[in-house]
Amino acid sequence: DIQMTQSPSSLSASVGDRVTITCLASQDISNHLNWYQHKPGKAPELLIYDASNLETGVPSRFSGSGSGTDFTFIISSLQPEDIATYYCQQYDNLPLTFGGGTKVEI
Amino acid sequence: QVQLQQSGPGLVKPSQTLSLTCAISGDSVSSNRATWNWIRQSPARGLEWLGRTYYRSKWYNDYAESVKSRITIDPDTSKNQFSLHLTSVTPEDTAVYYCARVRNWGAFDYWGQGTLVTVSS
Repeated sequence: DIQMTQSPSSLSASVGDRVTITCLASQDISNHLNWYQHKPGKAPELLIYDASNLETGVPSRFSGSGSGTDFTFIISSLQPEDIATYYCQQYDNLPLTFGGGTKVEI
Repeated sequence: QVQLQQSGPGLVKPSQTLSLTCAISGDSVSSNRATWNWIRQSPARGLEWLGRTYYRSKWYNDYAESVKSRITIDPDTSKNQFSLHLTSVTPEDTAVYYCARVRNWGAFDYWGQGTLVTVSS
């Protein structure tokens, strides 16, 4: 199985701050990487697909980059509504696997 | 707009079968551009993909090794839905279960609302 390692596991930042989350794959997954936002009591929401493509309707303060094994997710200016847990997920190989999550707090 | 509506019991006894259904609107379970998946989330295991069903001239299924001996995912074309059946459950199967669509082999773009299933006597 492809292991996805996210860091940090949690972070605290201020409104307006730039937030960076990294995701490391245990093997080369090309750009087969997605990012999700998950708020308590709701279903996860797709933010970024294919490592760097912004899903329709998602604010442009969210962005992603990377390929191979190293990926980065950025919130350029943290907003109060961004408080959530963020997950990376690979689809290069079965089983589809997720990172352990990064809890973002203010 | 695609919508996935989950239904099924929130409490299952140990050794019994957990069954959940995901009703699809706005797409077809027989679509050749989507796969239909079940995922669960628990504090111990995080987000865990369980398996999928999809149609490409015929029906296919893929399952996670961790549940492969106990899981079945069934499409129902007459009702445009798909179901999860997980047999011989234990308290370790307690989790929030989600159905989700994958488009074109890529991302989970639509999710059900989630169902908390507790395995307890």
